[in-house]
Amino acid sequence: AQKVTQAQTEISVVEKEDVTLDCVYETRDTTYYLFWYKQPPSGELVFLIRRNSFDEQNEISGRYSWNFQKSTSSFNFTITASQVVDSAVYFCALSEFASNTGKLIFGQGTTLQVKP
Amino acid sequence: GAGVSQSPSNKVTEKGKDVELRCDPISGHTALYWYRQSLGQGLEFLIYFQGNSAPDKSGLPSDRFSAERTGGSVSTLTIQRTQQEDSAVYLCASSLQPSSGANVLTFGAGSRLTVL
Repeated sequence: AQKVTQAQTEISVVEKEDVTLDCVYETRDTTYYLFWYKQPPSGELVFLIRRNSFDEQNEISGRYSWNFQKSTSSFNFTITASQVVDSAVYFCALSEFASNTGKLIFGQGTTLQVKP
Repeated sequence: GAGVSQSPSNKVTEKGKDVELRCDPISGHTALYWYRQSLGQGLEFLIYFQGNSAPDKSGLPSDRFSAERTGGSVSTLTIQRTQQEDSAVYLCASSLQPSSGANVLTFGAGSRLTVL
């Protein structure tokens, strides 16, 4: 069965610290997609990144980087030099090719608090 | 419109009453999803619409929940005889044709339902 686990419920860091949000997934599908979304206090989910199961290259976008490892079924997200504006709930999600619906299976989310 | 629009943004109702939540997806997006986010929980899939195909209702928690999508655009989620456990934020998302599951969902700001 498909499942996404974000074991860290809450993380608190001081501004400028680096922080890594963990995501572990389960799927029987060989073709799938992994996503990260950010939910700021305003409530609207914001798309951050999508990776497909055949592309294990790590990706960097400014202060954000993602580490995808199929061997450990993980798709971790690192924020370098965190800022107060990074405070939000972050969701990892999985979409399976076989579902043919594009629906996302979400983890429980990690609440990140960045203190000044 | 420019984004996914949901109304009402907040709804307070009494136990046993019916409520309707509305979602207006991005113009041109053929896929529409409803999710539920309970306090401190992840996002729970409810229902999926794609064009004129039969909807995927596999996530609806009970027969008190129903949804329709008229003219392939606006969708209404109806909860009959509301219970206190229905209190949550109901999120709508839309995307271009999902096909392989690679599509990115764009979310609305949500409708916060409180059942007294």
